[in-house]
Amino acid sequence: AQTVTQSQPEMSVQEAETVTLSCTYDTSESDYYLFWYKQPPSRQMILVIRQEAYKQQNATENRFSVNFQKAAKSFSLKISDSQLGDAAMYFCAYRSSMNRDDKIIFGKGTRLHILP
Amino acid sequence: NAGVTQTPKFRVLKTGQSMTLLCAQDMNHEYMYWYRQDPGMGLRLIHYSVGEGTTAKGEVPDGYNVSRLKKQNFLLGLESAAPSQTSVYFCASSYSRLGHEQYFGPGTRLTVT
Repeated sequence: AQTVTQSQPEMSVQEAETVTLSCTYDTSESDYYLFWYKQPPSRQMILVIRQEAYKQQNATENRFSVNFQKAAKSFSLKISDSQLGDAAMYFCAYRSSMNRDDKIIFGKGTRLHILP
Repeated sequence: NAGVTQTPKFRVLKTGQSMTLLCAQDMNHEYMYWYRQDPGMGLRLIHYSVGEGTTAKGEVPDGYNVSRLKKQNFLLGLESAAPSQTSVYFCASSYSRLGHEQYFGPGTRLTVT
């Protein structure tokens, strides 16, 4: 069974600085999807970025980018120019491309604090 | 589009009471899911549905039942609530095509005393 591990329960970063959140996963599959979700205090889960495993190029969305290392099964999220609105819980998630049920496996999350 | 909506947003139950949480989506999604979120545990899948009239068990199904009588609605029932079911419940939906992310509702905070 696939697993997703986020080893940093909490992190802090100074406003305007860069921070990297770690995520590793375990799978025997070669084709899959990886996601980072953000959950601010409002509780709403928001998709931040998505990566297809068959794409070697790292996904980027404005200030958010990933470092996808398929061989190492690592999928870290880099937030550049951190803003106060980035303070949230961040979840890494895995989805198999082989399962037809579309289930997503979530890590336990990293709480990110932004220091003004 | 309203996206994914959940009713109610908050609820307090006494042990042994029953209730139903309603999830509705207006995006014509085939797949719908119920998760629970507990501190330090992330999101855990309770039940899910891959289409109208179908349901399946997730990681933590015990104590819950679900129904998907209409494509746009997915109901989560607690027949006899227990304090261990105190949690925040999220509904999500997604397209049937591979690779699409799940869209989440705003959550329901349930407290069982």
